[in-house]
Amino acid sequence: AQTVTQSQPEMSVQEAETVTLSCTYDTSESDYYLFWYKQPPSRQMILVIRQEAYKQQNATENRFSVNFQKAAKSFSLKISDSQLGDAAMYFCALHRGKLIFGQGTELSVKP
Amino acid sequence: DAMVIQNPRYQVTQFGKPVTLSCSQTLNHNVMYWYQQKSSQAPKLLFHYYDKDFNNEADTPDNFQSRRPNTSFCFLDIRSPGLGDAAMYLCATSRAGDTDTQYFGPGTRLTVL
Repeated sequence: AQTVTQSQPEMSVQEAETVTLSCTYDTSESDYYLFWYKQPPSRQMILVIRQEAYKQQNATENRFSVNFQKAAKSFSLKISDSQLGDAAMYFCALHRGKLIFGQGTELSVKP
Repeated sequence: DAMVIQNPRYQVTQFGKPVTLSCSQTLNHNVMYWYQQKSSQAPKLLFHYYDKDFNNEADTPDNFQSRRPNTSFCFLDIRSPGLGDAAMYLCATSRAGDTDTQYFGPGTRLTVL
C-alpha cells in the first residue's frame, strides 16, 4: 500500500524566516512523482512544487525548495523568507496512478 | 487564462434532494477528477475520467455519479444527499493519467439541510 505521512499538523514561522515541513511516504515503486500543494483559506489547491523520483536534483521554485531523500522516502518542503501569503494548509502528495495525499500541515505566519 | 472552473462556488440543498455540481476546463486536459474534501481532511478521490473512460474508486458510494459529455465539462451528481455528504467538492484536471500534475478548481462547498 502507498501512504503519505505528514507528522506536523501545525507549524508556525515568523515572517522573513525559514520553515521546513516534513513528509515521509511509502511505496514499492521506483518511478513516481511527489508534489507539495498549498491550500489557502480560499480553499483552491495550488501546486507549489513537483519532484520526479528519478531525478536526484532537488526541485526549487523561487522561495520553495525540497529535500528529496529517496532511500529514506522523505520529501520535505523548505520555505525561505516566509511571507504572510504563505499561510495555508500544505499537502504532500505521492502520484503513482493517482494522487495520495498526506494529512496536511497548517502553516501560520506571524508578522 | 487557461483554468479549471467550478460552478456554483456554494450550493445548498435539502436532505434527499438531487444536486449537480459542474466543472469545466480550458486546459484541454484529457483527465478530469472529482474529490471530496471534508473539513480539516485531505481530499478523497471519488472518481476520474480518462477521456471517456470512467474510473470509480472502490469506496465511492453509489449515491455519487458522474458525467462527462465532452472534453471540457464534467458533472458530479449526488442522487440523494445526506448530511454526511456536506463537504467541499474539488475538480481537478491533468494532461495524462499517470505522471502529470493535477490542476485544481476553486471547489464547490455543498451544504445539506
